[in-house]
Amino acid sequence: SYELTQPPSVSVSPGQTARITCSGDALPKKYAYWYQQKSGQAPVLVIYEDSKRPSGIPERFSGSSSGTMATLTISGAQVEDEADYYCYSTDSSGNHREVFGGGTKLTVL
Amino acid sequence: EVQLVESGGGLVQPGGSLRLSCAASGFTFSSYWMSWVRQAPGKGLEWVANIKQDGSEKYYVDSVKGRFTISRDNAKNSLYLQMNSLRAEDTAVYYCARDDFTKGKDYWGQGTLVTVSS
Repeated sequence: SYELTQPPSVSVSPGQTARITCSGDALPKKYAYWYQQKSGQAPVLVIYEDSKRPSGIPERFSGSSSGTMATLTISGAQVEDEADYYCYSTDSSGNHREVFGGGTKLTVL
Repeated sequence: EVQLVESGGGLVQPGGSLRLSCAASGFTFSSYWMSWVRQAPGKGLEWVANIKQDGSEKYYVDSVKGRFTISRDNAKNSLYLQMNSLRAEDTAVYYCARDDFTKGKDYWGQGTLVTVSS
């Protein structure tokens, strides 16, 4: 079965740049999406189609993808950015499988 | 304003059934694929199923195939998940989400908790 792999945790100080990676064999062919989930809340889309930012998402959030790895970058991370972040994509084999990464807990302190 | 409101969760015994509903508003429901995504306590997100605009295509994660059925009623702007033969490992918060062609799952409901326990 298809998997997306994320580091379990990333920690930065306020104002530093946080980078969260997501690796998957189909990422060269399929877009990556990123979701932010704060404790007790529903997920929120922060990046779609590898690098596009929905309206209302701060400019400090950006995304990129190269080969089998997608990266979410938070430039100048704020305390309010502390959350779980999930990448999402689809299998390229044509079997319509959708997959989330295991999630990365971002700590900003 | 796009709104998705789930209902129907609760406590059910192993082997039992439950039907979840998701009421959609603020957009043309019949124009979008829709999905169910779940999250077990303390765990990550897991895609469960999705359904095409007219209900003609449905896809499931392997672990629920043959037990869960996704459906929709475009006249009622509603999405459903019929869950049969429930297992302890189905315990989770179940979210409905709108599937946008470019933005992916761009709107989510607040979720409904399903607990499978004796």
